[in-house]
Amino acid sequence: GDSVTQTEGLVTLTEGLPVMLNCTYQSTYSPFLFWYVQHLNEAPKLLLKSFTDNKRPEHQGFHATLHKSSSSFHLQKSSAQLSDSALYYCALSDRGSSGSWQLIFGSGTQLTVMP
Amino acid sequence: EAAVTQSPRNKVAVTGGKVTLSCNQTNNHNNMYWYRQDTGHGLRLIHYSYGAGSTEKGDIPDGYKASRPSQENFSLILELATPSQTSVYFCASGDLGGENYAEQFFGPGTRLTVL
Repeated sequence: GDSVTQTEGLVTLTEGLPVMLNCTYQSTYSPFLFWYVQHLNEAPKLLLKSFTDNKRPEHQGFHATLHKSSSSFHLQKSSAQLSDSALYYCALSDRGSSGSWQLIFGSGTQLTVMP
Repeated sequence: EAAVTQSPRNKVAVTGGKVTLSCNQTNNHNNMYWYRQDTGHGLRLIHYSYGAGSTEKGDIPDGYKASRPSQENFSLILELATPSQTSVYFCASGDLGGENYAEQFFGPGTRLTVL
């Protein structure tokens, strides 16, 4: 079945350094990919989603490029901020057996940005 | 603003007791979802619904039931709670189509402790 892999459970870096969080996926079809962000004691919320026309989505300084050849959708930012400290989930859309759309989430990457 | 709310926000239950977690959405979405979140496992789908009166099993449905009496409300029921069900539970709503293709909107979560 479809799956999402986030290899890093914890990422710690210094403010101002670049951020890259890895996400690879397996899917029978060409899925939509998403990044969700969850700050401490808050609900997950959508950060980015892939486009059908291969445009690169960007939000709050983050961007991600869908590479179908390598089945990847890595999250990047040029300069980390303290406020970026959060739990990040990569997810792909999948149509379940009932025909209803579901999201399949990776295990998450906890990003901690230090001063 | 469209919203997903959950009640209670915190719950302490005893082993063998019955627990009901409630979710309400004002997004007018057809689809609703229940997840649990555990460190190292990310967000795992328990049950979902694609409309009033429907419920479908997700990836980890054992020990849980769900009820969707209306478009707005979706409940998760633990008939015989066990300590392994101690977790944070998130409800979400979502729909297919347009720019919000498969995007889901999450509630604030319920922290459940089973003693």
